[in-house]
Amino acid sequence: GAVVSQHPSWVICKSGTSVKIECRSLDFQATTMFWYRQFPKQSLMLMATSNEGSKATYEQGVEKDKFLINHASLTLSTLTVTSAHPEDSSFYICSARDGTGEIATNEKLFFGSGTQLSVL
Amino acid sequence: RKEVEQDPGPFNVPEGATVAFNCTYSNSASQSFFWYRQDCRKEPKLLMSVYSSGNEDGRFTAQLNRASQYISLLIRDSKLSDSATYLCVVFSSGSARQLTFGSGTQLTVLP
Repeated sequence: GAVVSQHPSWVICKSGTSVKIECRSLDFQATTMFWYRQFPKQSLMLMATSNEGSKATYEQGVEKDKFLINHASLTLSTLTVTSAHPEDSSFYICSARDGTGEIATNEKLFFGSGTQLSVL
Repeated sequence: RKEVEQDPGPFNVPEGATVAFNCTYSNSASQSFFWYRQDCRKEPKLLMSVYSSGNEDGRFTAQLNRASQYISLLIRDSKLSDSATYLCVVFSSGSARQLTFGSGTQLTVLP
């Protein structure tokens, strides 16, 4: 089946540094990728929707200047957490939609393995 | 009110027990419904879709009640490996978010 590769799995960084997380679709073209954040014992919260070749659409309350999303190709989207602070520590996960599919057909939505970010 | 609400648990049950999870959703126009399973610090994995007619997959039975905007998941003869967090997920095409995740119900199956 389709695979979404997300790297890195774990990141520990100092406060004030920037962290880049990559999400790649390995055997399909992902015109749309979604970035989620999940705090312990909470649900996945959608941060932004990334469309190839255009600006990402951010959810209310998510700072676009802090969470930079780039979707330059049909197989790669990156999320950069700029000037990370301890409150940004969270589990970040991407998902990708096959370009021809609807989310309602759940087989068309694939998740990366997630990135655990810890900011000291 | 949250768009998708679940009892967070935790549910601690002995091996072999039957356990049921409930979920309610607020958007009456929601179209599709799913149960996902998520292990600690792992990605969610689709467990099953939920249909109005009810559907069963082995030990798992899912049910949807559109009138009450209620979804359920029943696990029979629970195994140790069923220990995880179960997420109720709702798809609404009219919402920009499309997929909305519940906060999850934590299940621990005890030996």
